[in-house]
Parts: sequence; C-alpha cells; structure tokens
Amino acid sequence: GENVEQHPSTLSVQEGDSAVIKCTYSDSASNYFPWYKQELGKGPQLIIDIRSNVGEKKDQRIAVTLNKTAKHFSLHITETQPEDSAVYFCATSIRSGGGADGLTFGKGTHLIIQP
Amino acid sequence: GAGVSQSPRYKVAKRGQDVALRCDPISGHVSLFWYQQALGQGPEFLTYFQNEAQLDKSGLPSDRFFAERPEGSVSTLKIQRTQQEDSAVYLCASSQSRGSTEAFFGQGTRLTVV
Repeated sequence: GENVEQHPSTLSVQEGDSAVIKCTYSDSASNYFPWYKQELGKGPQLIIDIRSNVGEKKDQRIAVTLNKTAKHFSLHITETQPEDSAVYFCATSIRSGGGADGLTFGKGTHLIIQP
Repeated sequence: GAGVSQSPRYKVAKRGQDVALRCDPISGHVSLFWYQQALGQGPEFLTYFQNEAQLDKSGLPSDRFFAERPEGSVSTLKIQRTQQEDSAVYLCASSQSRGSTEAFFGQGTRLTVV
C-alpha cells in the first residue's frame, strides 16, 4: 500500500519567517495531495490541496508544490504568525481525486512559531 | 449544527467491553468517513459510506469493528470486546459527495481502554 513520509516531525521558526514541510510518497497512482492543520483537541482542517495535474498552488500565505517524478510535495508557509502553531499533516489518495476517501496521512509536523 | 458532531468526546472502557461511537455529519452531506488516530500519529482510514451504503471497509482492523449508517445520516462505529490497542481518537468526516475536495472533520472521540 501507499507509504507517506513526512519531515520534519517538529519545526520551530521565528514569527515572520517561512516554514517548509516536506512529504514523499510511494504509490505513483496517487493523484490527490491535501494538507491538513490540526489544533489541540480538534479535528484536522483542510488548508490547501493539489491534484496531480498541477505543479504548484498558492493561497495567500500558504503554497503547495508537487514533483510527481520525484514523488514528493511540500507545504510552504510565509510570514508565519502565532496562530499558525499547530500539527500539520500531508496526505495522499489514489481515489476519486478529492475528499477524505481513502487518504493515507503522514505522521505530522508540529510547527511552533516563536514570538 | 454547523459542523460534524461526535459523541461522546471521551470514553473510557474496560478491556472486553463493547463501545459505540456516534457521528452526526453536516446536514445533507452524502459521504461519511471514519478514521482512527493513534497518539502522535496521522489518522488512518477505516471505512466510507455513501448515503446508507458502506462502500469501503478495507481499513477496519478486525471483525470486532463494525460501522453503520442506516438512514444515510447519523453513523455509529461499534467496537466489540475492546482491547488496549484500540485506544485512539476516532475521527468522523463528511463531505457533500465522494469527489468533493472539502471534507469536514469532527473533533473526534478519544477512546481509552484500560
């Protein structure tokens, strides 16, 4: 089955700096790549996603890049703010290209924004 | 309600007990998903419903796990003869359709088996 590796497990950055989280996957059939943010005591919340026919997608301070040849994708957060502190998960799916159907998640990155 | 609601928020069960976890999806959402999240890990897919039909149960770890959605709205995840390794947060998510890119997760039920 699919294997998703996520790095780093913990990332501490100064407020205002950028943060980058990277994931690699094993199944070349994966065609949907969402990123979720999970705050303490809450369920994951979708923050951005990308499909396999797109190399990059941006939404305000967050962006995701995808390299299908190398089977890796990354989350970039610029101008980090204290409210960005949370656990971030990457995920992949080979099914239907969307939703929460059959997602394989990485182990998560605890992002800490230092004031 | 405005979001996905799960109950109870916390459940402590003695080993061997049966438990039932409830999920109220967003009204009108066709698709419903259950995930299991062990401490410090990412969620793992358990099962998927489209309306009342359980279309995928490939992630259920054993036959002690059973899920239903009889009227196509509320769903219940039942675990029989609980074991310590069942301790986790159980997350429910719903979306308007299977291919909808936005799936909304509930807060989860934290199950502790002692």
